[in-house]
Amino acid sequence: AQKVTQAQTEISVVEKEDVTLDCVYETRDTTYYLFWYKQPPSGELVFLIRRNSFDEQNEISGRYSWNFQKSTSSFNFTITASQVVDSAVYFCALSEARNQGGKLIFGQGTELSVKP
Amino acid sequence: KAGVTQTPRYLIKTRGQQVTLSCSPISGHRSVSWYQQTPGQGLQFLFEYFSETQRNKGNFPGRFSGRQFSNSRSEMNVSTLELGDSALYLCASRRREGTDTQYFGPGTRLTVL
Repeated sequence: AQKVTQAQTEISVVEKEDVTLDCVYETRDTTYYLFWYKQPPSGELVFLIRRNSFDEQNEISGRYSWNFQKSTSSFNFTITASQVVDSAVYFCALSEARNQGGKLIFGQGTELSVKP
Repeated sequence: KAGVTQTPRYLIKTRGQQVTLSCSPISGHRSVSWYQQTPGQGLQFLFEYFSETQRNKGNFPGRFSGRQFSNSRSEMNVSTLELGDSALYLCASRRREGTDTQYFGPGTRLTVL
């Protein structure tokens, strides 16, 4: 069965702190895709990153970095030097090749609050 | 390039009524997916359409249906509304099937009274 678990429901940090959002996934497919989306209060889901199951290379984009480890089925997201504008709900998601990648399975989300 | 657009943005209906939501994908995108977001169940996949054909379907009752037109625009219909159908309905589009990323619209907030 496919499943995404984000164990942290809420995280509160002070501006400039580093914060890591955890994501653990389950799938039987050998080819799958992992995503992170950000949902600000406006409601729209904003795409942040996609990783393919065959590419475990970690990625850094500005203050954002992602750590993909197949051995532990985890795809964690770190924000360095957090800012108030980072406050949002963050979702980790999984799609599988057998569905042509069309069905996203989401975790429950982590609400990040960055205080000034 | 314009993003995914959804209309209407807000909707209030009463139990037993039906509702139709509309989604216009990003230009050039041929796949449209629909998701329901509620506080209790989170984000759940409803269905996906590609080239006017339903490709994937989630675990929702038959009251939830959709279609896609030749210009890739999609509509979602919910018949015999129930209180539990109150949710944010999100539409996403992607260029093609396979690995393409889904990009989301702003959503339609449906309230059922």
